[in-house]
Amino acid sequence: DAEITQSPRHKITETGRQVTLACHQTWNHNNMFWYRQDLGHGLRLIHYSYGVQDTNKGEVSDGYSVSRSNTEDLPLTLESAASSQTSVYFCASSGTSGSNEQFFGPGTRLTVL
Amino acid sequence: GEDVEQSLFLSVREGDSSVINCTYTDSSSTYLYWYKQEPGAGLQLLTYIFSNMDMKQDQRLTVLLNKKDKHLSLRIADTQTGDSAIYFCAESKDDYKLSFGAGTTVTVRA
Repeated sequence: DAEITQSPRHKITETGRQVTLACHQTWNHNNMFWYRQDLGHGLRLIHYSYGVQDTNKGEVSDGYSVSRSNTEDLPLTLESAASSQTSVYFCASSGTSGSNEQFFGPGTRLTVL
Repeated sequence: GEDVEQSLFLSVREGDSSVINCTYTDSSSTYLYWYKQEPGAGLQLLTYIFSNMDMKQDQRLTVLLNKKDKHLSLRIADTQTGDSAIYFCAESKDDYKLSFGAGTTVTVRA
């Protein structure tokens, strides 16, 4: 069955370190998205991609970057982790037809000390 | 302000109906969605409704859409303990992005 996976599921890091969160989908979807979830804010879009070599900034992109070298993967990098980036991060993907439904990964809980 | 707004908490007795409400701002939204998030998990799509529909029913779930008032609701009949979760309302944009509400935490009490 097609799926979307994230790794690691939990990560503790220190302020100033570079961190990369992985997202891998086997739906063969063109669209991929990264969100962060914080209490009272719901899901906020960090970056998104519509295909290989395409990346776009979302509403809370400062301090984050993504790259899309193939269809399946959209890694999220925190260049220099800050305590304000402590959050739960979700990756999602969607196709280009039908209801635009997004399929979500299980999430990565990141703690920046 | 937020594009999509929903109340933060709902407490309901087991066996009763739950109604979760949502308001959105973009009248051009093509689809509106309800997602469910259980503790420690990602979001799962519960149901969606196309913008030219008023109502959609799927087993215990009923979605009502009032496009004039930009109001969406989700009714869960015969609420069970397994329905305890966070429910997110979302609206679609033409560019495949979704805009989510803050989520409603539903607690089912015995």
